[in-house]
Amino acid sequence: DTGVSQDPRHKITKRGQNVTFRCDPISEHNRLYWYRQTLGQGPEFLTYFQNEAQLEKSRLLSDRFSAERPKGSFSTLEIQRTEQGDSAMYLCASSKGPSTYEQYFGPGTRLTVT
Amino acid sequence: SQQGEEDPQALSIQEGENATMNCSYKTSINNLQWYRQNSGRGLVHLILIRSNEREKHSGRLRVTLDTSKKSSSLLITASRAADTASYFCATDEYNNNDMRFGAGTRLTVKP
Repeated sequence: DTGVSQDPRHKITKRGQNVTFRCDPISEHNRLYWYRQTLGQGPEFLTYFQNEAQLEKSRLLSDRFSAERPKGSFSTLEIQRTEQGDSAMYLCASSKGPSTYEQYFGPGTRLTVT
Repeated sequence: SQQGEEDPQALSIQEGENATMNCSYKTSINNLQWYRQNSGRGLVHLILIRSNEREKHSGRLRVTLDTSKKSSSLLITASRAADTASYFCATDEYNNNDMRFGAGTRLTVKP
């Protein structure tokens, strides 16, 4: 247990539905990252927050994806109008600072879109 | 897009043997990190090596970095069955913001 929690751990949804995932980082960490991981691949960067500010978004993050981190604490990742290609593990990580610091990963939310 | 590429994609060894995994990347970096992921779980940080360092040790782990060749290696000595996992390298592409991971090496240590 790294101290980063994610909820839910598993989500099965039908194509076209909206889903929202939550990540609770380690409390003193001001950086929070979202990644997507498909089977047999490494995590792909989606977006990150410095406190409550979303500072960078990957091209992978289409208009159907939105992330928030109100008050710089927990974060949510919402996917609207889900597609089968969205099926993946969504990982959240937090760190004390930029890339010179290690990232602590949560257990992930596995999304299956049917 | 992914930055690093691990080699080999899969590695199977006997308990007690050493395991070596390699990582190549494309752009200048500030640092390189190695992570481990057990099946279906989140990633766990193993070691960080900065661009001005050439070698680093942590317990049974030894990491080298060759910035001229844009490559790194992770050596696990005296492997154990519990070392069975996927191992990923991650680099920061010199922008100090986000990490780019490779596709990983799947290590199996047979008891």
